[in-house]
Amino acid sequence: DGGITQSPKYLFRKEGQNVTLSCEQNLNHDAMYWYRQDPGQGLRLIYYSQIVNDFQKGDIAEGYSVSREKKESFPLTVTSAQKNPTAFYLCASSIMGPRYQPQHFGDGTRLSIL
Amino acid sequence: KQEVTQIPAALSVPEGENLVLNCSFTDSAIYNLQWFRQDPGKGLTSLLLIQSSQREQTSGRLNASLDKSSGRSTLYIAASQPGDSATYLCAVIQSGGGADGLTFGKGTHLIIQP
Repeated sequence: DGGITQSPKYLFRKEGQNVTLSCEQNLNHDAMYWYRQDPGQGLRLIYYSQIVNDFQKGDIAEGYSVSREKKESFPLTVTSAQKNPTAFYLCASSIMGPRYQPQHFGDGTRLSIL
Repeated sequence: KQEVTQIPAALSVPEGENLVLNCSFTDSAIYNLQWFRQDPGKGLTSLLLIQSSQREQTSGRLNASLDKSSGRSTLYIAASQPGDSATYLCAVIQSGGGADGLTFGKGTHLIIQP
């Protein structure tokens, strides 16, 4: 079955540590996105990428980094510079950018601070 | 900056009722509007996508309308069932420049009582 796989489902970070969240899709989608969801809040865009080796900052990119070396993979690193990383992180993908096609989402990674 | 508002924040109705969820957005220059469903601790499932040139979309018991000029959309759920219980999110894609991701509302938490 085609879809988006996020791993791990739960992740814990120590102070000063960088952690990487995995996102893999087998939908052959060009565009991929990372969103952050806080309790009672809407999702906010962190980074997005429309083609391999290219990505753009979203509304809340500070303290995060991404790479897009392969079409199917878009990992997100939460760096120690992100002072409030506890949240639910969702990865999404779409065909040829999101403007005319629906975005498809993974099941998320919940990140907590130890 | 685009802002998306969803009313009500929470709704509880008996099974079998028809109901309407509301979404408003401040900037009418959008490419499309998308309705999602989110179950607790899960990712988002796309329900309906309405292009800016369209007035409505239907899928089964769901009907979404769009009035771009007034900045409003509604999601109509007919003959509600307990399985419809979830959080419903509305999101828009902005026309023009800027981050090419979705801007989300905070959602309507829906409970259908058996």
